[in-house]
Amino acid sequence: AQTVTQSQPEMSVQEAETVTLSCTYDTSENNYYLFWYKQPPSRQMILVIRQEAYKQQNATENRFSVNFQKAAKSFSLKISDSQLGDTAMYFCAFMMPRASGTYKYIFGTGTRLKVLA
Amino acid sequence: NAGVTQTPKFQVLKTGQSMTLQCAQDMNHEYMSWYRQDPGMGLRLIHYSVGAGITDQGEVPNGYNVSRSTTEDFPLRLLSAAPSQTSVYFCASSFYGQPQHFGDGTRLSIL
Repeated sequence: AQTVTQSQPEMSVQEAETVTLSCTYDTSENNYYLFWYKQPPSRQMILVIRQEAYKQQNATENRFSVNFQKAAKSFSLKISDSQLGDTAMYFCAFMMPRASGTYKYIFGTGTRLKVLA
Repeated sequence: NAGVTQTPKFQVLKTGQSMTLQCAQDMNHEYMSWYRQDPGMGLRLIHYSVGAGITDQGEVPNGYNVSRSTTEDFPLRLLSAAPSQTSVYFCASSFYGQPQHFGDGTRLSIL
């Protein structure tokens, strides 16, 4: 079953503006990891930012930051001062631990972001 | 470090043919996985492995087999190719809790 939901298939933002991409997930575990990846037209998957569930502080990487709401199971990505090079598909991913002791990564369906000049 | 290497980059098959997509990583990652990405869609997990000798099914495993005899290699086998398997395939690897490193993808067309 899909456990990561990205409810915005497409978004656009003016250059230099701020945009927020949403992601929600479902788990009964307490320890897990969340990631945002960027996939530009070149198709490469590029890590944008990472968040550990046990950390209360929201992760930040330059113009990228997250709003991690553990109780609400929400993990949104904020891009500040948007640049044309930010145009890409953005995927939210969740590392899901399992009761068996194994784990797997699950990806959302993605949000296509277009930055407008 | 080569990272995650996928071969081939492109492949065209006829319906019913079999083939193996190769994936190798040189980072000693225990976790490896295969995804397919169809046009305009996200990544769907086919199979994954948390270590040599351990594999499990993802959300779309039908028509694919995997094995993990070494830490480095995680090949994906298409037993009898079908047009519905036309897609871009990505292999990825990681340590526990770490972001996955992706290969460059294999574009597979089934005629």
